[in-house]
This record gives sequence, structure tokens and C-alpha cells, in this order.
Amino acid sequence: QQQVKQSPQSLIVQKGGISIINCAYENTAFDYFPWYQQFPGKGPALLIAIRPDVSEKKEGRFTISFNKSAKQFSLHIMDSQPGDSATYFCAASGGNKLVFGAGTILRVKS
Amino acid sequence: DGGITQSPKYLFRKEGQNVTLSCEQNLNHDAMYWYRQDPGQGLRLIYYSQIVNDFQKGDIAEGYSVSREKKESFPLTVTSAQKNPTAFYLCASSPRTREKLFFGSGTQLSVL
Repeated sequence: QQQVKQSPQSLIVQKGGISIINCAYENTAFDYFPWYQQFPGKGPALLIAIRPDVSEKKEGRFTISFNKSAKQFSLHIMDSQPGDSATYFCAASGGNKLVFGAGTILRVKS
Repeated sequence: DGGITQSPKYLFRKEGQNVTLSCEQNLNHDAMYWYRQDPGQGLRLIYYSQIVNDFQKGDIAEGYSVSREKKESFPLTVTSAQKNPTAFYLCASSPRTREKLFFGSGTQLSVL
């Protein structure tokens, strides 16, 4: 019930392409869904977040799509750049704690 | 320069030894957290604190202890009862629980 399942584990995208990372959850009490970006040797940083009252949120090249009925949400990175190469974590919260997915290692090839 | 400071960056533990990881924040945040990161397993919550002198166990609290005597500080002790302590430890804070987390740069703990 507390799990957030994230896929794929790793992803290689050509520069300028679209990176897509998917997450699924079971707990219908979750009502806050952030994505974090982590560079090697650093702590994660909030990238973008969504609440279930909207189906999509866009900030620059980053978009979250949210499907409440399917209990799934995804991160789309448009025009992917080598500087986007990092580990991405989805997360979900319905109480005092955030539950994180296992992470996706993204590599953008130039 | 506001933020979260974790120290040390690297730490080595001998068998049977307790070690303490430091976490200090100057963001005036009420809530603080400790996460453990292992390759391929994401971030798992060890302990969290919503207010001074109060803290709650997370999902993997066994073998760890914390204190919250000051708002700015939330040290984590990895005790000898934690049999597999090698991991990257991340401290975070937020103005209130369920809001944006601000993470420190982490401490890599290894066993000698």
C-alpha cells in the first residue's frame, strides 16, 4: 500500500529527444506527487510536483502527467540535454511522510 | 547562505562501533528527516521530526537513533545493532511535513 513503483530503472536518450519516466502507486490516500532530481554525490532537489486535482503540470521542459483512475503519473523531459543526465525519483505522500520510488538513471547522449 | 549542512562527507565505521552523522539547517524549518539511499532502492525513511523534542520512526528505524534538542539540529546515530550500515545517508528539512524537502549533500558511511 505504501509502495511507489518506478520504471524504467535506467534510460538512455539522444540529445533533443523526449525522456519519459513512469510511476504507479496503490494508496488512494496519496495526494501529493513530487519528482526529485539527483546528481552524483549530491542530495536530491525538487524538480516539479503535482496534486491530483489536475491532470498535467508543465514547468519549462518538464511535464508531469497524472492519471488518477489508473493511479499512475509520469515525468516527461522534452528536448533532453546532456545536463539532464541524473537520477530521477518520483514520490508520493498522503500523510507526514514521502514514499520514494526506486529511481531512474537517465543518460542523455550528445 | 541558507541550507542544510551534513558532516562528515565520508565516514568509516569499525565493527561494534556507534557513529553519529551531523545535520544542521539554518532554514528555520520545523520538520527534519533522515533517509538512507542504497543503489536501486530509492530513498527509505529512517526517522523524522516535526518539532523540537519529538521524533517518529520511519520505515527502517531499527539500529538507528536520533535526537532533536534544537530546531536547527537533527543528528543520527548508527548503532552497532545496524548490521548493514554501508549506505549514503541524506538529511532533509521542510517548513512543515508534506511540503518541499530540502536535502543536504549526504554522508557516505562505509564499514571497515
